[in-house]
Amino acid sequence: GAVVSQHPSRVICKSGTSVKIECRSLDFQATTMFWYRQFPKQSLMLMATSNEGSKATYEQGVEKDKFLINHASLTLSTLTVTSAHPEDSSFYICSAKVAARVNSPLHFGNGTRLTVT
Amino acid sequence: GENVEQHPSTLSVQEGDSAVIKCTYSDSASNYFPWYKQELGKGPQLIIDIRSNVGEKKDQRIAVTLNKTAKHFSLHITETQPEDSAVYFCAASRGTGGFKTIFGAGTRLFVKA
Repeated sequence: GAVVSQHPSRVICKSGTSVKIECRSLDFQATTMFWYRQFPKQSLMLMATSNEGSKATYEQGVEKDKFLINHASLTLSTLTVTSAHPEDSSFYICSAKVAARVNSPLHFGNGTRLTVT
Repeated sequence: GENVEQHPSTLSVQEGDSAVIKCTYSDSASNYFPWYKQELGKGPQLIIDIRSNVGEKKDQRIAVTLNKTAKHFSLHITETQPEDSAVYFCAASRGTGGFKTIFGAGTRLFVKA
């Protein structure tokens, strides 16, 4: 149980275009989802916390107008990288917890490798 | 702010040997400590976790220990196998508030056949 599906797994786009990444909880409801960015050989950097039905909470230094997050249902959150540039190329990973259960693990998607040319 | 330090950054062992990864956390209010394994090109997967009311937990070849006083916790993998090769992340979180999880920098484990 507790499967998180992330799509697409890989995407290549041209500079200046926008890319949408979807994160779905397949067998549980997730009121909160998290979006991370991971650079090669580095740890997970939390970008934002996505709350169902309300605005996302962004970490310091993350541009909310650049990384648009929408959490319209209890099973779907999307991250849109707007006007992408080569420096946005990275591995983006989403995660979710089962509802509001405390002291429970994060369930991660398999990530999206974004390459901006 | 809250911080989790993880050592070593790289660990190479011979198949069959044990591997130990150590973490230290700064937030004394942390009460949940999961460990994740990340294989190349994939998202992290939970392998074991421990809560602050427990000092040790074991699941087959994997064990985790927690020293709340020293704010240390460790992952122990016995009888390592090549398929254990991956990046391992420790993490710490509180049970309250915004469920923010703080990750260590990761340990790249190589198990040589």
